[in-house]
Amino acid sequence: SYELTQPPSVSVAPGQTARITCGGNNIGGESVHWYQQKPGQAPALVVHDDSDRPSGIPERFSGSNSGNTATLTINRVEAGDEADYYCQVWYPKGDHVLFGGGTKLTVL
Amino acid sequence: QVQLQESGPGLVKPSETLSLTCIVSGSSIDSGYYWGWIRQRPGQGLEWIATYYRSGNAYYKSSLKSRVTVSVDLSKNQFSLQMNSLTAADTALYFCARGGSSSEYFPHWGQGILVTVSS
Repeated sequence: SYELTQPPSVSVAPGQTARITCGGNNIGGESVHWYQQKPGQAPALVVHDDSDRPSGIPERFSGSNSGNTATLTINRVEAGDEADYYCQVWYPKGDHVLFGGGTKLTVL
Repeated sequence: QVQLQESGPGLVKPSETLSLTCIVSGSSIDSGYYWGWIRQRPGQGLEWIATYYRSGNAYYKSSLKSRVTVSVDLSKNQFSLQMNSLTAADTALYFCARGGSSSEYFPHWGQGILVTVSS
């Protein structure tokens, strides 16, 4: 079965760049979507189709996807970016909708 | 503005059946979008359960397929999840969500409803 692997945690100082990875076999051939979830809230889509941002999402959020790794990059990290981040793909050959295990971003 | 609101019981006994409804406003259930159910066990990550799309089609997480059914009520513009044979492992926050029309990511989510399975 297809699996998405994320690091459990990433820590970064304010103003620095955070990179959160999502690994999967040839994930570069799939469209990857990213969600941000803050405590007590529903997930919010921050990047879709590898690198597109929904309206209202700051340009500091960007995505890339190649080979076996997709990456969510958050530039100039702010305290308000502290959250759990999940990658997701649509994989109709398997369970259709797959989420990564999530990464907790801590802003130091 | 698309809004989704989950409704249902907060407490269900083991072995019983859970019925949740997602009430949708600002978007028609019959408009060709993907409509999904996702859950999150306490302290855990997101787990997709099922998706309904386009005139009666649905697909399910393979490990839950034998226990889950999704359906829609077009007259009320809502879609529902039924899950039977509940155990404590089904205790979770259940979200409904709306996807795109051609791509299954979820820009719109309900606030979630906590379901506890306990006697």
